[in-house]
Amino acid sequence: DAGVIQSPRHEVTEMGQEVTLRCKPISGHDYLFWYRQTMMRGLELLIYFNNNVPIDDSGMPEDRFSAKMPNASFSTLKIQPSEPRDSAVYFCASERVGNTIYFGEGSWLTVV
Amino acid sequence: RKEVEQDPGPFNVPEGATVAFNCTYSNSASQSFFWYRQDCRKEPKLLMSVYSSGNEDGRFTAQLNRASQYISLLIRDSKLSDSATYLCVVRRMDSSYKLIFGSGTRLLVRP
Repeated sequence: DAGVIQSPRHEVTEMGQEVTLRCKPISGHDYLFWYRQTMMRGLELLIYFNNNVPIDDSGMPEDRFSAKMPNASFSTLKIQPSEPRDSAVYFCASERVGNTIYFGEGSWLTVV
Repeated sequence: RKEVEQDPGPFNVPEGATVAFNCTYSNSASQSFFWYRQDCRKEPKLLMSVYSSGNEDGRFTAQLNRASQYISLLIRDSKLSDSATYLCVVRRMDSSYKLIFGSGTRLLVRP
């Protein structure tokens, strides 16, 4: 069974550009989470979905960040416009309720 | 104050040593507790769940003290391959389904 699949694995972009990160959760999982990890702040929950519906986006840092889940097998996290302080590893994770959460390998974002 | 607090370390120990990590959580509504392991430049992976009665998985023992809001992880007979960051994780018992991660404790096991 394939795990959580994220793309791109690495992205380097210039300040002001739009960044789109993609995630395919594990089939049958009804929760999807987007986390951001930095050395300074650790692993922070940005937003999570239940059955494709956003439940809590209180962790989204500001209006430049948006996330969508148009169907059960796909989600995007978009940053527009990107800033150097957005440089981080962005993890997508999925879970079947009551079971273990599984993380993707992460998208390593550098904004210069 | 962070909802889940851990000593960042690093803990630098020789092979074969016993090492213990501690974690405190501030939200009394926390329901479920876990230890995750994260290797350098990798994603976090579940190491073990933590049960009220304490539980053991091979060389790893986890303890929970709800009254003190305290979780621990004990690693016996440390191996070089145990070198990683150990993340304390709690899930709340409220309307949210959030997993809250501590910042992690880094362990270095030397030959």
